[in-house]
Amino acid sequence: EAQVTQNPRYLITVTGKKLTVTCSQNMNHEYMSWYRQDPGLGLRQIYYSMNVEVTDKGDVPEGYKVSRKEKRNFPLILESPSPNQTSLYFCASLLLAGGGEQFFGPGTRLTVL
Amino acid sequence: QKEVEQDPGPLSVPEGAIVSLNCTYSNSAFQYFMWYRQYSRKGPELLMYTYSSGNKEDGRFTAQVDKSSKYISLFIRDSQPSDSATYLCAMSAWDAGGTSYGKLTFGQGTILTVHP
Repeated sequence: EAQVTQNPRYLITVTGKKLTVTCSQNMNHEYMSWYRQDPGLGLRQIYYSMNVEVTDKGDVPEGYKVSRKEKRNFPLILESPSPNQTSLYFCASLLLAGGGEQFFGPGTRLTVL
Repeated sequence: QKEVEQDPGPLSVPEGAIVSLNCTYSNSAFQYFMWYRQYSRKGPELLMYTYSSGNKEDGRFTAQVDKSSKYISLFIRDSQPSDSATYLCAMSAWDAGGTSYGKLTFGQGTILTVHP
């Protein structure tokens, strides 16, 4: 089954404690992206990757890092989380020549105390 | 000004009603228009997409695009309680070769509740 998986689905942590949210897709998509979703603000792009070893900032990259060492994986790293990073995070992937449909993961709800 | 503005709602309608969801945009480079549906505690899933002005129908759903006015709509006929969800419009641009740039710009989302 074609899918995007994220782990963990729920995470409560404390300020400053480094964490990683994993994302994996099995569709051989070149493009992967991270979004955060906040009430009244919709989905905002954090970082994206056009292919292996190619990453770039989205609209709200501050406080986040990413890496793309393999095509299927695109982890999101919070080196020193702060309470304003409490949000719902989605990973998505896209076949660039496929017309534009992005497939989304199930989401990770992060709370930073 | 945001690139994409969506009527915020929330909308509450009786079962069987016709629902109209709307977005406006300012970036003329957008060529691919999508509507995503998001159920509570789930990721968004693509409902409909189009890349030309006019109407596109899929069952009870019609997506409408007016590029001259930079306005898109989603109509839901005979709405059902199972249609209760958050609806997000999204847009992207393509290069001259028809390959997506990848980035999606979303509206804020409209929460729809259809009550029996």
